[in-house]
This record gives sequence, C-alpha cells and structure tokens, in this order.
Amino acid sequence: DQQVKQNSPSLSVQEGRISILNCDYTNSMFDYFLWYKKYPAEGPTFLISISSIKDKNEDGRFTVFLNKSAKHLSLHIVPSQPGDSAVYFCAASVGGNTPLVFGKGTRLSVIA
Amino acid sequence: NAGVTQTPKFRILKIGQSMTLQCTQDMNHNYMYWYRQDPGMGLKLIYYSVGAGITDKGEVPNGYNVSRSTTEDFPLRLELAAPSQTSVYFCASSPRLYEQYFGPGTRLTVT
Repeated sequence: DQQVKQNSPSLSVQEGRISILNCDYTNSMFDYFLWYKKYPAEGPTFLISISSIKDKNEDGRFTVFLNKSAKHLSLHIVPSQPGDSAVYFCAASVGGNTPLVFGKGTRLSVIA
Repeated sequence: NAGVTQTPKFRILKIGQSMTLQCTQDMNHNYMYWYRQDPGMGLKLIYYSVGAGITDKGEVPNGYNVSRSTTEDFPLRLELAAPSQTSVYFCASSPRLYEQYFGPGTRLTVT
C-alpha cells in the first residue's frame, strides 16, 4: 500500500514556463514533507521541505504548496530551466521520529 | 569534504555469492540509511541507524544485514545474493531524520 503517491511518471514543460509536480499521501499522520531531485547516475539531493504547520514554502524558483485537507502537495518551478530536467521524488515523515517514505518519482523534462 | 561515499560503484554477483557494500560519511551525522531503488520505483528503506551501535529495519530488510560500529561507517551485507536483489543501492546520512544527504549509489546485478 503506497502511502506517498506520485501519479504522473513524467512531465514535459517548455523552458521558461511553470512546472507543477504533484504528490498525494494517505497517512494523515505525516507532518513533514520533502522534495528531492535526482540526476542520472547520482544520488538524490534535497530540494525543499514543508512542515504541516505551513501551507507554502518558497526557495528561489521553487515553491511547495501543502493542502492538508486534500492530503496533497505540489512543487512549482518557475521559470523552468533545462537544468531542472531530473526525477523528482516526494517524501514524507511523521513527527521527525520515523524514516522518510518516498513516492515513485516524476521525471521532468524541460525542453529548450 | 567528501560527504557520503559508496564503494563499489558497480558490481556483478552470481546467485549465492556474498558481498558488502561500503558507505562512509564525513559529516559527523548520527543518522545513516540504506535504500534500494528498482527501475521505475521510489526509494525503499532497507535499514537505518540512529547512531553507532544502533540499527533498525526498514521496509525491505530481508536478505540484508548491517552494522554500525562507528559514526562514519554503515556497511550493508548481502549474504546469499538473489536476482531479486538486483537494484541500485543508495546510502544516506543526516543530522536528524530529515534532509538526508545521499551517496552516488552502487549498481548491483545478480545473475
């Protein structure tokens, strides 16, 4: 039973436009959410996080939105750049006391 | 500052062979983890450790063993390799349970 779901395996976006990556979760106890980015042949790297006490967190071109009632979060990248082409993983945790649970990832392709 | 290093980068094993995947971090992080990533799948936690001498099972621990005798090292042992263990293995560390720093991965094939 997948607790963290990324239902879109891939997404293509034109350079300069907005990329929106979505993530749904089923465990209402999750209270901390993270996005990781992974290039081929490398390990994932931390991108941005959000705690359940917030509904939005921004870091430069990256913004994460959290909708607790819908158990949904999204990552917005504006403007998208070719270097953003990677696999993006959503992850969640409970109270800082449990290991992260990862989604299957979404492959983003930003086309120049 | 090397971060998290993993050796080897690639390995091919025959069924029934054993091997140890090495992981070392130089950031003095208490938490360390082993994940596997199968094609088209997310990262699944195999084992993790909250400090030297303490380890715990993750989601998919069967067929693996770990030890944590120092803060820096967290080796993963495969005792009897099976084709189902063909995967990419990532080691990670973190100062707390979030925001993990990952190594570059070990690609293992069991034939």
